[in-house]
Amino acid sequence: GAVVSQHPSRVICKSGTSVKIECRSLDFQATTMFWYRQFPKQSLMLMATSNEGSKATYEQGVEKDKFLINHASLTLSTLTVTSAHPEDSSFYICSYKGRATNEQFFGPGTRLTVL
Amino acid sequence: AQSVTQLDSHVSVSEGTPVLLRCNYSSSYSPSLFWYVQHPNKGLQLLLKYTSAATLVKGINGFEAEFKKSETSFHLTKPSAHMSDAAEYFCVVSPMNTGFQKLVFGTGTRLLVSP
Repeated sequence: GAVVSQHPSRVICKSGTSVKIECRSLDFQATTMFWYRQFPKQSLMLMATSNEGSKATYEQGVEKDKFLINHASLTLSTLTVTSAHPEDSSFYICSYKGRATNEQFFGPGTRLTVL
Repeated sequence: AQSVTQLDSHVSVSEGTPVLLRCNYSSSYSPSLFWYVQHPNKGLQLLLKYTSAATLVKGINGFEAEFKKSETSFHLTKPSAHMSDAAEYFCVVSPMNTGFQKLVFGTGTRLLVSP
């Protein structure tokens, strides 16, 4: 199956700083990408959906000015958590959907801890 | 509205015994259904998917699931558990009216396999 990487795998930052998480599709062109958040012992919750070259569509309750998503190319998307607070500590997971499939391919996730 | 209910948060089995992970779904439209597995520090991996073809779906690693519309269920089974099957399993529904883009995750079932 398709390979998706995320960087970094783990990040610890101070409250008030911004953190950027990269998501790359390594062996296919991803037209649509998704960012999820997973709190401990909970399920994945979709944060936003974006198509290459377009602005992201955010789910209800997700602040677009706080979680900046850039999907500039078919292989790279970034999520920037701005002015991070301890309540933003979570596991962030990206996924890509290819052109001709209903399947999403997931990255390994990034664990963010905000002190 | 679409939702998924995973009836068990934890399932414990002995190696070599059958596995049953239960899932019930609710969807206003004909859904696609998926089972994903999440191992620690690894990305979600697709086990199998139902997309309105055969109701009995075979997946990887010996897993299979049966779509039962009358019961709105999509339980995951495996005849004989292996130690490497210990992981978190998510049942996922993707309704047709979203172009099968949106994934709605269940809360997950942690499978524990003892020797």
